[in-house]
Amino acid sequence: GAGVSQSPSNKVTEKGKDVELRCDPISGHTALYWYRQSLGQGLEFLIYFQGNSAPDKSGLPSDRFSAERTGGSVSTLTIQRTQQEDSAVYLCASSLAGTSNLHEQYFGPGTRLTVT
Amino acid sequence: GNSVTQMEGPVTLSEEAFLTINCTYTATGYPSLFWYVQYPGEGLQLLLKATKADDKGSNKGFEATYRKETTSFHLEKGSVQVSDSAVYFCALSDPTSTDKLIFGTGTRLQVFP
Repeated sequence: GAGVSQSPSNKVTEKGKDVELRCDPISGHTALYWYRQSLGQGLEFLIYFQGNSAPDKSGLPSDRFSAERTGGSVSTLTIQRTQQEDSAVYLCASSLAGTSNLHEQYFGPGTRLTVT
Repeated sequence: GNSVTQMEGPVTLSEEAFLTINCTYTATGYPSLFWYVQYPGEGLQLLLKATKADDKGSNKGFEATYRKETTSFHLEKGSVQVSDSAVYFCALSDPTSTDKLIFGTGTRLQVFP
């Protein structure tokens, strides 16, 4: 079956521009996570959705970062006024549930963001 | 806070050598522990997991045992192959809520024939 998909796979943008990154989770997965993988910081949690709600936004690094999820499915991560330190691979993962401590998270291929 | 520490790489081995990648954690409560693998050009994949103390996770010849007394989850394989070359990440799920994963920094494994 289809896995988690993300688009675009690569994005190059100029400093100060806004970008939108998209995640399509596995059908039926209610939990969705965004992570960031960068050279200096490793793999960091950004935000968690259960359905359309985001009960944990603790990993968002600044108010330039926001995310939404609609219809319990697609999620969009938006970065406003991009900075060079935002350059990273943004990973999305989904799972069947977010509170049982047992469900595997399935990761997408990531979006590589480069801010010039 | 919760954290994961794993050995730095790269780890370079010859084919059929024994592999150990060390991982220790700090957490309140009772986290689940994971090893994820990232093959070149591919996404993160779950390799194995353990959900409680003394559990052993295993997959593809890899094993790791959840040791609460030493707060460790070391990854081992008895005989590595060239195809095992990848980056390995140790992780724990936040036991307080949401199952968000907290990752170690990753260890690159290079296996030569």
